[in-house]
Amino acid sequence: NAGVTQTPKFQVLKTGQSMTLQCAQDMNHNSMYWYRQDPGMGLRLIYYSASEGTTDKGEVPNGYNVSRLNKREFSLRLESAAPSQTSVYFCASSTQGYYGYTFGSGTRLTVV
Amino acid sequence: GIQVEQSPPDLILQEGANSTLRCNFSDSVNNLQWFHQNPWGQLINLFYIPSGTKQNGRLSATTVATERYSLLYISSSQTTDSGVYFCAVGAQGGSEKLVFGKGTKLTVNP
Repeated sequence: NAGVTQTPKFQVLKTGQSMTLQCAQDMNHNSMYWYRQDPGMGLRLIYYSASEGTTDKGEVPNGYNVSRLNKREFSLRLESAAPSQTSVYFCASSTQGYYGYTFGSGTRLTVV
Repeated sequence: GIQVEQSPPDLILQEGANSTLRCNFSDSVNNLQWFHQNPWGQLINLFYIPSGTKQNGRLSATTVATERYSLLYISSSQTTDSGVYFCAVGAQGGSEKLVFGKGTKLTVNP
């Protein structure tokens, strides 16, 4: 099925551990995004990539790194997880000329 | 940065009722989208509507860019319409990056 695939769906980390959230899209979209959703806060942009090989910071980039591996894949890495990074993470993609987002199903991350 | 305010924050309806959700934004935009987040957390794009009016079944949306607001209309609501509705905007010069409002939580009772 065409769309945006995120893995894993759930993850529990201990403070200080690292992990990478994976995202892949098969719609040939140019742009990809990582957002986090916290209760009562809506969604906030962490990083985005306008095209393969380019990335840029969003509103809340501290504590995260990203890699646009190719046109399909955009990963988000937490180098040293903190309890403040407990959240639901969403990946999305869009294409030039029509900027409607397609979201993945999300990753629920808990840092203890 | 651009600010997005949605109202009301919560809305409870009986099945069959109509409703209007509002989104105000603080600056000129080139991109405006409405999303529905269902009770399982999935985000679905309803409309890409930086200006004008669109309709899709029982849902319609209108954006008046010059007055910096957008409205989402839901007619003959169904229990499956329950969830959170988000408005998100992209400012001129950075329109691919969306800033989200805090959402309107809609509950439709049978």
